[in-house]
Amino acid sequence: DVKVTQSSRYLVKRTGEKVFLECVQDMDHENMFWYRQDPGLGLRLIYFSYDVKMKEKGDIPEGYSVSREKKERFSLILESASTNQTSMYLCASSSHLGREGYNEQFFGPGTRLTVL
Amino acid sequence: AQSVTQPDIHITVSEGASLELRCNYSYGATPYLFWYVQSPGQGLQLLLKYFSGDTLVQGIKGFEAEFKRSQSSFNLRKPSVHWSDAAEYFCAVASKAAGNKLTFGGGTRVLVKP
Repeated sequence: DVKVTQSSRYLVKRTGEKVFLECVQDMDHENMFWYRQDPGLGLRLIYFSYDVKMKEKGDIPEGYSVSREKKERFSLILESASTNQTSMYLCASSSHLGREGYNEQFFGPGTRLTVL
Repeated sequence: AQSVTQPDIHITVSEGASLELRCNYSYGATPYLFWYVQSPGQGLQLLLKYFSGDTLVQGIKGFEAEFKRSQSSFNLRKPSVHWSDAAEYFCAVASKAAGNKLTFGGGTRVLVKP
């Protein structure tokens, strides 16, 4: 089974702190994604990566950065946390495009971040 | 740009009754369509997907969905709901034109009455 793990289920930080959210997948997937989930808005893509050291902005990248130094690990960084970044953060991974032109994304359990 | 609308924020259904969750998408060509479920405290699990072919697709846990191009809809159904189906459900769309990125709807929370 594909397994995507996230370093913390719950995290509480203070405004202005630098925050690292870690995601690890064990299926040698090329693609990794970071989403935030907010009530009524569903999941919105923050950043994604198609390969090691590669990253691309998603729909809401402002206030975030990412790092992918190893294939299995994708980190989301909040340089200076703010209260409007209080949210659920979900990581996902997938392999490169299959014959059908799309491959399923597998999701981690999420990290609920509260910024005070 | 692709977009997804789930008109119902909350739905309450009695156990054993049928369930239908609505999903409308906006995209010019044929998209890839998905339904995910998120149980309390869990990550997202794929229920089913539509890429091409038969417009009625079967998924896990007894769910099915029908792709209707003329209505730009991909509604999810289950004939008889179990208490364990209480969860939040997300419809999502992807396309080659959008770089295969997933766009999610806002979600529908399903409550199951005994």
